[in-house]
Amino acid sequence: DVKVTQSSRYLVKRTGEKVFLECVQDMDHENMFWYRQDPGLGLRLIYFSYDVKMKEKGDIPEGYSVSREKKERFSLILESASTNQTSMYLCASSLFSASAEAFFGQGTRLTVV
Amino acid sequence: AQSVTQPDIHITVSEGASLELRCNYSYGATPYLFWYVQSPGQGLQLLLKYFSGDTLVQGIKGFEAEFKRSQSSFNLRKPSVHWSDAAEYFCAVGDNFNKFYFGSGTKLNVKP
Repeated sequence: DVKVTQSSRYLVKRTGEKVFLECVQDMDHENMFWYRQDPGLGLRLIYFSYDVKMKEKGDIPEGYSVSREKKERFSLILESASTNQTSMYLCASSLFSASAEAFFGQGTRLTVV
Repeated sequence: AQSVTQPDIHITVSEGASLELRCNYSYGATPYLFWYVQSPGQGLQLLLKYFSGDTLVQGIKGFEAEFKRSQSSFNLRKPSVHWSDAAEYFCAVGDNFNKFYFGSGTKLNVKP
């Protein structure tokens, strides 16, 4: 069974903290994604990686960075967390093929206080 | 630019009734189209996808979707809804660069 695993289901962090969200996939997928999900806005792409050490900005990269040192692992970093980054964060992976679907993790509900 | 519109934010149907969820997309080339379902507190699960061939696509859990190029639509249907279908549904378009663009979602409530 294919799997995308996010390290935490729930996180509470303080404003100004550096926050790491970790994602691991076991499908040998080339592509990995970080999305942010907010009510009424659907999923918005934060960052995308198509290979180790390669990354592309998505639609809302401000305030975030990413790291992909190994093929199976993709980390999202909030350099200085702010309350407007309180959200659900979803990691996904896919094959490097235009017709391939994305597989999603369970999500991390981040609250910044 | 690619975009996906799901015009219905909430839909309520009675159990056993038919269902149609609407999706319109904007994409210049041949689209790769997907429907996902999200149960509360969970990640997204693929219901079905279209990338070529027959415009009527069958998916899991009894769902189907029809691609209509002339209307830029990819509507999701189910002939008879079950209470367990209550969830949020997302339409997405994939581009040639392997990115996915999602609609804002439709929440489905099922009345007993």
